[in-house]
Amino acid sequence: DVKVTQSSRYLVKRTGEKVFLECVQDMDHENMFWYRQDPGLGLRLIYFSYDVKMKEKGDIPEGYSVSREKKERFSLILESASTNQTSMYLCASTRFQASNQPQHFGDGTRLSIL
Amino acid sequence: QKEVEQNSGPLSVPEGAIASLNCTYSDRGSQSFFWYRQYSGKSPELIMFIYSNGDKEDGRFTAQLNKASQYVSLLIRDSQPSDSATYLCAVKADYGGSQGNLIFGKGTKLSVKP
Repeated sequence: DVKVTQSSRYLVKRTGEKVFLECVQDMDHENMFWYRQDPGLGLRLIYFSYDVKMKEKGDIPEGYSVSREKKERFSLILESASTNQTSMYLCASTRFQASNQPQHFGDGTRLSIL
Repeated sequence: QKEVEQNSGPLSVPEGAIASLNCTYSDRGSQSFFWYRQYSGKSPELIMFIYSNGDKEDGRFTAQLNKASQYVSLLIRDSQPSDSATYLCAVKADYGGSQGNLIFGKGTKLSVKP
């Protein structure tokens, strides 16, 4: 089974802090994704990566950055946290351009910015 | 703008009934279709995928795809209270450079009453 592990289930930070969310997958997947999920807005793609050191902006990249130094690890960075970044953050991974492969999700990180 | 539409619900069915969840998509080039189940406070988990027109059955679940009508559905037979969750429809377009991205609907909330 695919295992996608997010470093924290719950996280509380203060406005202005730099926040790191970590995600590790154990299936040698090429593609990794970061989403946020808010009530009524569904899943929104923040950033994705299809290879080490590669990154692409998703639909809502503002206020975020990412890092992919190793294939198995994809980090989401909130450069200066703000209260409107309070959300559930979900990491996912999948095989590269394999049309019949789903995305596999981690357990999510519920982030609160005070 | 590629879109995936779902009725937000809530869809309420009695225990033992058939629950029917529907999804339409805008991109005619879409090739792969996925249904995820998400319990409150949890991350999405894959329950079914379908690529070809017609029906695909897995236990109490049946996915139905009609590419001409750009419509995919999920039927849950003998619904149980444990099926109460939000069901997300996701669509992947297969074209050069897609890198495995999915487009998610906002989900339909299903409530199964004992």
